[in-house]
Amino acid sequence: QMQLVQSGAEVKKTGSSVKLSCRASGYTFTYRSLHWVRQTPGQAPEWMGWIKPFNGNTFYAQKFQDRVTMSRDKSMTTAYMELSSLRSEDTAMYYCAGSDSYGYFVFDSWGQGTQVTVSS
Amino acid sequence: QSVLTQPPSVSAAPGQKVTISCSGSSSNIGNNDVSWYQQLPGTAPKLLIYDNNKRVSGIPDRFSGSKSGTSATLGITGLQTGDEADYYCATWDNSLNTEIFGGGTKLTVL
Repeated sequence: QMQLVQSGAEVKKTGSSVKLSCRASGYTFTYRSLHWVRQTPGQAPEWMGWIKPFNGNTFYAQKFQDRVTMSRDKSMTTAYMELSSLRSEDTAMYYCAGSDSYGYFVFDSWGQGTQVTVSS
Repeated sequence: QSVLTQPPSVSAAPGQKVTISCSGSSSNIGNNDVSWYQQLPGTAPKLLIYDNNKRVSGIPDRFSGSKSGTSATLGITGLQTGDEADYYCATWDNSLNTEIFGGGTKLTVL
């Protein structure tokens, strides 16, 4: 049973960076892809990109390509997402989600979410 | 504005049936499979349906999915108050090169 546990809430200043973590358990870490999805209140989820823990390969949504970096630590079975040059519009709940049980972009497991608040 | 169009809200009485539509284009639904997610208040989304019409293990058969052309539909029968949630369709968009979600539909069970 795939379990994803995310790091705690963050409050950041405009222009700074934030690095979130997503610790995986209950399965072989390198066997499944991990995605990052964010959501602002009352809005649809927004896919940011994915990482393949097996080899560290990443693919980012074009919107975030210049500002996002996804990484992983196999020894810690943890994935990370760093977003730089933060602006107020980045205030959102950020989720990590696992796929590959049903398809590459079918998110069958989700973390509990990390609230990121950006203010000046 | 989402590329995938869903009605903002639907409602029905307990025990009744409701359908939620998701309209897209040839660059997304027309050529890719659709998933459906349920999001209860204050929680992460939960996968209900994948590959247009396949239910995830443990999801009751009251939930069903279908796809025709560039539109997909989620059906829920025997509505229960516990079904009150936001529902999102999702699929890959070949033009945007990204996974996209519909704008979401809020289900109210009256």
